[in-house]
Amino acid sequence: GAVVSQHPSRVICKSGTSVKIECRSLDFQATTMFWYRQFPKQSLMLMATSNEGSKATYEQGVEKDKFLINHASLTLSTLTVTSAHPEDSSFYICSARGPGTAYSNQPQHFGDGTRLSIL
Amino acid sequence: LAKTTQPISMDSYEGQEVNITCSHNNIATNDYITWYQQFPSQGPRFIIQGYKTKVTNEVASLFIPADRKSSTLSLPRVSLSDTAVYYCLVGDKGNTPLVFGKGTRLSVIA
Repeated sequence: GAVVSQHPSRVICKSGTSVKIECRSLDFQATTMFWYRQFPKQSLMLMATSNEGSKATYEQGVEKDKFLINHASLTLSTLTVTSAHPEDSSFYICSARGPGTAYSNQPQHFGDGTRLSIL
Repeated sequence: LAKTTQPISMDSYEGQEVNITCSHNNIATNDYITWYQQFPSQGPRFIIQGYKTKVTNEVASLFIPADRKSSTLSLPRVSLSDTAVYYCLVGDKGNTPLVFGKGTRLSVIA
């Protein structure tokens, strides 16, 4: 079945560091990828939508200069948390959706998340 | 985007059938209904998806009435490993993202 791989699974770094998280679709081409963040005991919150070859669309309240998204190919999207601070500590999850057809709907497939801890 | 409403939590004993109902009163014509399961510190895992009537796969069944304003995820004979948060989402086949509600926290007791 479809697999989305996310790397790294866990990052611990000092305040002020920039951190890059990779999201790859392993056995299908993902024209669209989504980035979510999740705080403890809460639901997933959509951060942004990235489309291959075009700029990402950010949700209201998400700083695009803080969370840089690049969807350079049909199998890779990256999220860079720039100058991370303790309040950026969270669980970041990506998802990918392949191209649909008129008679099917590709479900979103999720990575296993990245636990980011900023000291 | 259609909003979904689910019970916050449910408890069940091992071996029982669990039915989780989701309300989505303003579901659009093009929307599909998708259920995901999430364990702590993992990404959501796809369970089942449907448009109308009944869908069944190896792990669950999804019942959707004719008006499509609600849906019920049925988990047969749950085990302790089914303890997780279950999310019901609705969305179309395009590039619109799925918006997560609070989900249902299922606790399976021995």
